[in-house]
Amino acid sequence: DQQVKQNSPSLSVQEGRISILNCDYTNSMFDYFLWYKKYPAEGPTFLISISSIKDKNEDGRFTVFLNKSAKHLSLHIVPSQPGDSAVYFCAARGKGTYKYIFGTGTRLKVLA
Amino acid sequence: KAGVTQTPRYLIKTRGQQVTLSCSPISGHRSVSWYQQTPGQGLQFLFEYFSETQRNKGNFPGRFSGRQFSNSRSEMNVSTLELGDSALYLCASSYYGQGISYEQYFGPGTRLTVT
Repeated sequence: DQQVKQNSPSLSVQEGRISILNCDYTNSMFDYFLWYKKYPAEGPTFLISISSIKDKNEDGRFTVFLNKSAKHLSLHIVPSQPGDSAVYFCAARGKGTYKYIFGTGTRLKVLA
Repeated sequence: KAGVTQTPRYLIKTRGQQVTLSCSPISGHRSVSWYQQTPGQGLQFLFEYFSETQRNKGNFPGRFSGRQFSNSRSEMNVSTLELGDSALYLCASSYYGQGISYEQYFGPGTRLTVT
């Protein structure tokens, strides 16, 4: 039972345009959501997070949106740069737990 | 601060053998989690330790075990290796304070190949 889903395995975007990565979840008890970026042969790198009490969090070119009613999370990257090409994972944590559930990842390719 | 370190980085084992992987968290981080990453499966949670106690466990067989030492360093052990255990094993540490656990910082992983 995949509680966190990233339904798009890959995404290609032109440099300078917006990249939108999506994530859906099924467990309404999740209270903290994160996005990670992963390059080959490296561990995931934390990008940005959002608490369930918020609906938006912004950090530079990265913005995460949370729609609790739709159980949907998205990451916007504006403007996209070739260095953003990587696999992006969304993750969620259940309230009162120490366990993070990860999606299967979306491979983003930013074309120069 | 030094990041999360994992040793060894690469390992080749034979079916039936056992293996121990090591993880040193970021200084000050007392929570350590382990994940298995296989193609198409994302990161699967194995277990999480805090102050030498396992607080959460994922859905893996008992062949997968772990422990944490008083200096927060952690090890995971896989006994009776199977071909399907071939994966990248990732360790992540996080700061835990005032009842709140923050974002996790990952090590580079240990690539285990079982032949």
